[in-house]
Amino acid sequence: NAGVTQTPKFQVLKTGQSMTLQCAQDMNHNSMYWYRQDPGMGLRLIYYSASEGTTDKGEVPNGYNVSRLNKREFSLRLESAAPSQTSVYFCASSPGLHYEQYFGPGTRLTVT
Amino acid sequence: QQQVKQSPQSLIVQKGGISIINCAYENTAFDYFPWYQQFPGKGPALLIAIRPDVSEKKEGRFTISFNKSAKQFSLHIMDSQPGDSATYFCAANPTGTASKLTFGTGTRLQVTL
Repeated sequence: NAGVTQTPKFQVLKTGQSMTLQCAQDMNHNSMYWYRQDPGMGLRLIYYSASEGTTDKGEVPNGYNVSRLNKREFSLRLESAAPSQTSVYFCASSPGLHYEQYFGPGTRLTVT
Repeated sequence: QQQVKQSPQSLIVQKGGISIINCAYENTAFDYFPWYQQFPGKGPALLIAIRPDVSEKKEGRFTISFNKSAKQFSLHIMDSQPGDSATYFCAANPTGTASKLTFGTGTRLQVTL
């Protein structure tokens, strides 16, 4: 039981490049989330998926897209990376009926 | 818009002392208030949580106090230990949503020997 896994752990991109961050959970959770964490800003919700087949914008969705591939997987795509997207990205999942969120280990992304 | 305000930004406590972190919220339609603990290089992990129908919840050395009328809630860590050194985030969940948490900005706690 690995919980929430994220790949890659680290990534460096040049401005304008694209990439997809992968997230998977093996807890049979309904809801999944993508956050970014910046110094002094806490965690801010980018997108979330309340259940398989649905996605919704969070607080800071601009510049990102998501795909809920199936119940296990929820990916985050940066189509044209910008230096302002330099951050640590966390994926999380939740059973849905309860409120506990379980976080992955994070992806540290640097855009130069 | 910051709906959950957290203070202090950083905190240094001696071993055995009490660590207190405060949060205040601006929206009355929150129905769940968790606290998360994050160690360097790791993802946040749920520490303890409270719902507004109780004023206090205790789990071991960790206690949440909740004041509904003041829209404030706080985390108390009794007998603080060096292993408690981490960043702590409060959060609030809007009523009726599927775990759509709003987080505070975090408090970096350092417990010294």
